[in-house]
Amino acid sequence: DTEVTQTPKHLVMGMTNKKSLKCEQHMGHRAMYWYKQKAKKPPELMFVYSYEKLSINESVPSRFSPECPNSSLLNLHLHALQPEDSALYLCASSSTSGAYNQPQHFGDGTRLSIL
Amino acid sequence: GQNIDQPTEMTATEGAIVQINCTYQTSGFNGLFWYQQHAGEAPTFLSYNVLDGLEEKGRFSSFLSRSKGYSYLLLKELQMKDSASYLCAVKGAGKSTFGDGTTLTVKP
Repeated sequence: DTEVTQTPKHLVMGMTNKKSLKCEQHMGHRAMYWYKQKAKKPPELMFVYSYEKLSINESVPSRFSPECPNSSLLNLHLHALQPEDSALYLCASSSTSGAYNQPQHFGDGTRLSIL
Repeated sequence: GQNIDQPTEMTATEGAIVQINCTYQTSGFNGLFWYQQHAGEAPTFLSYNVLDGLEEKGRFSSFLSRSKGYSYLLLKELQMKDSASYLCAVKGAGKSTFGDGTTLTVKP
């Protein structure tokens, strides 16, 4: 079990569906991250939120829409995804995004399959 | 930008010592992390280096040379459960960039 909780663990959706991934942490961290990870590849950064504000968007397509309702929650809204978007989506948090020596704590991820 | 290189795969024997290297080229450097990731699980933090030298944490040690853009993770007294992917991540401005990871297989 990790201190970062992601739901759902698995998600299968069609290309026309709208769904959301959820992430929650109660460690008082003020930086939260979304990563996409394909099989046998490292995590690829998508978004960084710092103090509930979007600070980094790594040129992610608009069919992925992040939201940070409060300091403990991070959502990723999905709409009109493509089959190549099938991957493991990891959420992570750290004390702040600028702190040098603070590691990221990862959730177990949501395994997403697009039909 | 950042360029990070690690060997793709390594194999070692239970009880032995293995060294996983990581070289990097970066426009900004705020430290280097090592993470362990078992198949189907989340990455977990192992170690952090920002100054040159060796950091030791139990069976795991990590070394950094900033002038050479080089780090290694040393695993001692290998156990079967150490079979995993080991990710080197370089911290830049506000984010970390991961290497492709090294898949370590520990054999009896």
